[in-house]
Amino acid sequence: DAGVTQSPTHLIKTRGQQVTLRCSPKSGHDTVSWYQQALGQGPQFIFQYYEEEERQRGNFPDRFSGHQFPNYSSELNVNALLLGDSALYLCASGSQGNYGYTFGSGTRLTVV
Amino acid sequence: AQSVTQPDIHITVSEGASLELRCNYSYGATPYLFWYVQSPGQGLQLLLKYFSGDTLVQGIKGFEAEFKRSQSSFNLRKPSVHWSDAAEYFCAVGRDNNDMRFGAGTRLTVKP
Repeated sequence: DAGVTQSPTHLIKTRGQQVTLRCSPKSGHDTVSWYQQALGQGPQFIFQYYEEEERQRGNFPDRFSGHQFPNYSSELNVNALLLGDSALYLCASGSQGNYGYTFGSGTRLTVV
Repeated sequence: AQSVTQPDIHITVSEGASLELRCNYSYGATPYLFWYVQSPGQGLQLLLKYFSGDTLVQGIKGFEAEFKRSQSSFNLRKPSVHWSDAAEYFCAVGRDNNDMRFGAGTRLTVKP
């Protein structure tokens, strides 16, 4: 049974560009959350998607947006990239009412 | 506001020795508490979780944690550490998947 799958694994972008990260949740999960993990820090909650809608959002600017598709997969989009956006982006999936996420291995984004 | 403090940034123990990683939390209601482990370049793996009931929780890989409400703590323990336990450990608190907050992590080094 595949866990959470994220793509790509690594990405290098130039400041000001836009990036899209992808996530396929674990089979049976319907909720996807995205986290940003800067080097040496714990993960920070970006937002969560359920039933194709953004349900909750952390303290991140509107440059960060997302989408969830009918098959529960999700995308994270970041516009106008800043050097400070360099981080490991983690996707986590779960089921409503069942606590404790399953995390993917992440996408390492480097902005130069 | 909810928060998690992991007082130890880095801990070194000898293989076979016991381990205790500290976690203190601040939360306005009865918390849900989690411990995750992250190996280099990987996502987070759930070790154990506490919602209610018995305050001593057993997890995977021989780990356990004890919830102490009076001390606002949820320390992780293992009686005998293996070299493969070397990783980053994160404590997290939250009532549901939407508002999970992570500590900054404790890096564990295991000496042969």
